[in-house]
Amino acid sequence: KAGVTQTPRYLIKTRGQQVTLSCSPISGHRSVSWYQQTPGQGLQFLFEYFSETQRNKGNFPGRFSGRQFSNSRSEMNVSTLELGDSALYLCASSRVGDGLANTGELFFGEGSRLTVL
Amino acid sequence: DAKTTQPNSMESNEEEPVHLPCNHSTISGTDYIHWYRQLPSQGPEYVIHGLTSNVNNRMASLAIAEDRKSSTLILHRATLRDAAVYYCILLNSGGSNYKLTFGKGTLLTVNP
Repeated sequence: KAGVTQTPRYLIKTRGQQVTLSCSPISGHRSVSWYQQTPGQGLQFLFEYFSETQRNKGNFPGRFSGRQFSNSRSEMNVSTLELGDSALYLCASSRVGDGLANTGELFFGEGSRLTVL
Repeated sequence: DAKTTQPNSMESNEEEPVHLPCNHSTISGTDYIHWYRQLPSQGPEYVIHGLTSNVNNRMASLAIAEDRKSSTLILHRATLRDAAVYYCILLNSGGSNYKLTFGKGTLLTVNP
């Protein structure tokens, strides 16, 4: 069974540019959530999508956005990149249900490491 | 939002038990307690979760205080492969509007 796949694994951008990251969940998983991980702030929740709808959003500015397609694949976009956006962006998928609490397990990808120069 | 507090680091010897604590004094009745661990250069990996009762699985045990204001992840016999950052996470099961709160994590070092 294939795991969660994130692309690209590494990328370098400059300030002011935008970036799109992709996440392919485990087959059959309809919930996809995104996280930002930095040395200073640790793991922070960005947003979660279920059946193409954003169900919840963390405390991030509007420059961070996402979407989910009918095949459950998800993308997140960061516009007008800032130096502080340099981070590891993690995606996780989980089984159908009422959400994370009822499934009990998140399956994480290996992340996309973004460096903003 | 409920928050968790974990020690920054802990150290253990191989084949000895490890008790990783987590404080969550503002936990609500609908918050589940989840533990994940993250090995270097990998995404987090699920370890265990619970609501009120103690839980056991093949990886670990989760002991939850009676008042639910704290919990302890127990690794019964630490191995070198258990060296990782362990995160205590609260997941609120309030319908579709759940919220996630991550602790800073505990870096576990296992000595051979």
